[in-house]
Amino acid sequence: GDSVTQMEGPVTLSEEAFLTINCTYTATGYPSLFWYVQYPGEGLQLLLKATKADDKGSNKGFEATYRKETTSFHLEKGSVQVSDSAVYFCALSRNAGKSTFGDGTTLTVKP
Amino acid sequence: NAGVTQTPKFQVLKTGQSMTLQCAQDMNHNSMYWYRQDPGMGLRLIYYSASEGTTDKGEVPNGYNVSRLNKREFSLRLESAAPSQTSVYFCASRGQGLSGTEAFFGQGTRLTVV
Repeated sequence: GDSVTQMEGPVTLSEEAFLTINCTYTATGYPSLFWYVQYPGEGLQLLLKATKADDKGSNKGFEATYRKETTSFHLEKGSVQVSDSAVYFCALSRNAGKSTFGDGTTLTVKP
Repeated sequence: NAGVTQTPKFQVLKTGQSMTLQCAQDMNHNSMYWYRQDPGMGLRLIYYSASEGTTDKGEVPNGYNVSRLNKREFSLRLESAAPSQTSVYFCASRGQGLSGTEAFFGQGTRLTVV
């Protein structure tokens, strides 16, 4: 079946550091790939997405590129802020709208 | 635009009690979902409804039932709560069931079973 594997956390960075959170997936066909973010006490919200190979999703300084050859969708940001502290989930959706989520990576950014 | 609304936000139950978690969306979405979130385990799908009038089991359906009351509302029922059902529950919806569309989540219900 489908699966998503995320880099284990927690991740702690200083403000303005470079962020990478790795995500790889297993799925047949051509899934769509997503990154969601969850702030404390809230539900998940979409951060960015890519629907086909080589697409780059971007939002709020975050980027991720759909790499079919390596089945990856790594999340990057050049300079993190304290306000980026949250839990980040990689997910895929292949059919019927059902999503498969990774376990989440907790990011803490210190001033 | 409220999006996805869940009630209640918090609940404490005694073992064996029953309760229903309510979820409503105002985005005219066809598909709705119930997930549970446990530390270190990501989100696990309990049940989903691809359209009004249909429901299907997800990964972890045991101990739960659902009702898709109409297009807007999708409720989750615990008939006899157990401590293993202590979790944060999220309802989500998605438009048209297309793989490229994102899910919209409610704020969650934090349930403790003692």
